[in-house]
Amino acid sequence: DGGITQSPKYLFRKEGQNVTLSCEQNLNHDAMYWYRQDPGQGLRLIYYSQIVNDFQKGDIAEGYSVSREKKESFPLTVTSAQKNPTAFYLCASSFSGNRNEQYFGPGTRLTVT
Amino acid sequence: AQSVAQPEDQVNVAEGNPLTVKCTYSVSGNPYLFWYVQYPNRGLQFLLKYITGDNLVKGSYGFEAEFNKSQTSFHLKKPSALVSDSALYFCAVREVIASGTYKYIFGTGTRLKVLA
Repeated sequence: DGGITQSPKYLFRKEGQNVTLSCEQNLNHDAMYWYRQDPGQGLRLIYYSQIVNDFQKGDIAEGYSVSREKKESFPLTVTSAQKNPTAFYLCASSFSGNRNEQYFGPGTRLTVT
Repeated sequence: AQSVAQPEDQVNVAEGNPLTVKCTYSVSGNPYLFWYVQYPNRGLQFLLKYITGDNLVKGSYGFEAEFNKSQTSFHLKKPSALVSDSALYFCAVREVIASGTYKYIFGTGTRLKVLA
């Protein structure tokens, strides 16, 4: 069963704690992306990676970190430096090339109190 | 910088009536445009894309979109709406960062509500 998975679906953390969100894909996609979704703001790009061991900051990278050690995996860490971490986080992947649509995971809803 | 705008936060339509969800874009060069749908607490699903060719693009679930270069628009349409089409719809445009590196810019979304 091919696809892109995110875990966990819901995550609760105390303020000041780092937390890592998982994203795995078995679609053999080269590119992977992390977005944050807040009501009324659409999707905002956090980080993206076109190939293994390389990634770029998106529009709102502050307070987040990523790694891309394997083609299939692109975990996102929300650090304590992120001022407002409570949000719905979406991971996506796509083939390289400029004509390709993205495939999205089911999302992780993070609540920090 | 590339951008897309979805001017309507919400669109209401009666079941069986045609629906239109609007999207306008601003790009340099050729626009690569996409529509996605999101159901509650789920990820986005790809509906259709315009890369080149025919201005009328057909996609999943009976949706289609019309690319209009002179009006810089890419409106999503469906001839007959279903209650199950009720969801959040996003328009997106591809932006070239460098050779071989791309990112996607999303609109703020339009909530479609189909009334029975």
